[in-house]
Amino acid sequence: EIVLTQSPATLSLSPGERATLSCRASQSISTFLAWYQQKPGQAPRLLIYDASNRATGIPARFSGSGSGTDFTLTISSLEPEDFAVYYCQQRSNWRETFGQGTKVEIK
Amino acid sequence: QVQLVQSGSELKKPGASVKVSCKASGYIFTSYAMNWVRQAPGQGLEWMGWINTNTGNPTYARGFTGRFVFSLDTSVSTAYLQINSLTAEDTAVYYCGRVPSWSYYLDVWGKGTSVTVSS
Repeated sequence: EIVLTQSPATLSLSPGERATLSCRASQSISTFLAWYQQKPGQAPRLLIYDASNRATGIPARFSGSGSGTDFTLTISSLEPEDFAVYYCQQRSNWRETFGQGTKVEIK
Repeated sequence: QVQLVQSGSELKKPGASVKVSCKASGYIFTSYAMNWVRQAPGQGLEWMGWINTNTGNPTYARGFTGRFVFSLDTSVSTAYLQINSLTAEDTAVYYCGRVPSWSYYLDVWGKGTSVTVSS
C-alpha cells in the first residue's frame, strides 16, 4: 500500500502570505494525485486533480505541481476563507489512500 | 445541479447494524463510481473503498472487509453503506463521493452522515 506523508502538520500564516504544502508518496504514482480542502463541519472539496489540474470553480491562487513521489500545493496569497485542512490523495492498483492532512491556520 | 444527498445522523448500540444511503441527482448515476470515506472524530480522511455502479462490484480497503457492505439501487440512483456488528470504534462521519469513470478523485461529495455507537 502506498503511503502519503504530508508536511508540515500545521502551517501558521497570515492572510496575503504564500502557503506551500508538501505531499510525499512512498513510491512513484506518476501524476495520479489529488488535493482537497476541508473546513470544520463540512465535507472535503476537490481542489486539484492529476497533480496540477484545478477542479471546476477553484480560484487561480491554488496551484499544484509535482510528479513521481513529490508533490506541492501552493496557495499564492492566502484569503481568509483558505484557512482549513488540506489532504492529498492517490490511487494505485485501484486502491486509494489519503495523506494525514496539513492544517493551515491563522498566525 | 449535481448533488449527493446522504441520510441523517444515526445513534446505534454496540452490536447493531446501520445502513447509510447516498442518493445521487443531476447526472447519470451509472456513469460514475461511488466511493466511501470515513472520518473519525478529530481525525483525517480514510478511504473505505468503492463500488462500480455499472456492475455493482465492490472493492474494500484494507481494514474494511467483513463487516462493511456497499450496495446499490440503480432504479433510484442510490448507493448504500451497511456496517454490521457496530463497535464504538465505528463512531465517525461517513461520506460518499462520486468518482469519474476510470479515475480516482472524488469530484462531488455528500455532506456526510454521522454515526454514533454508544450504549
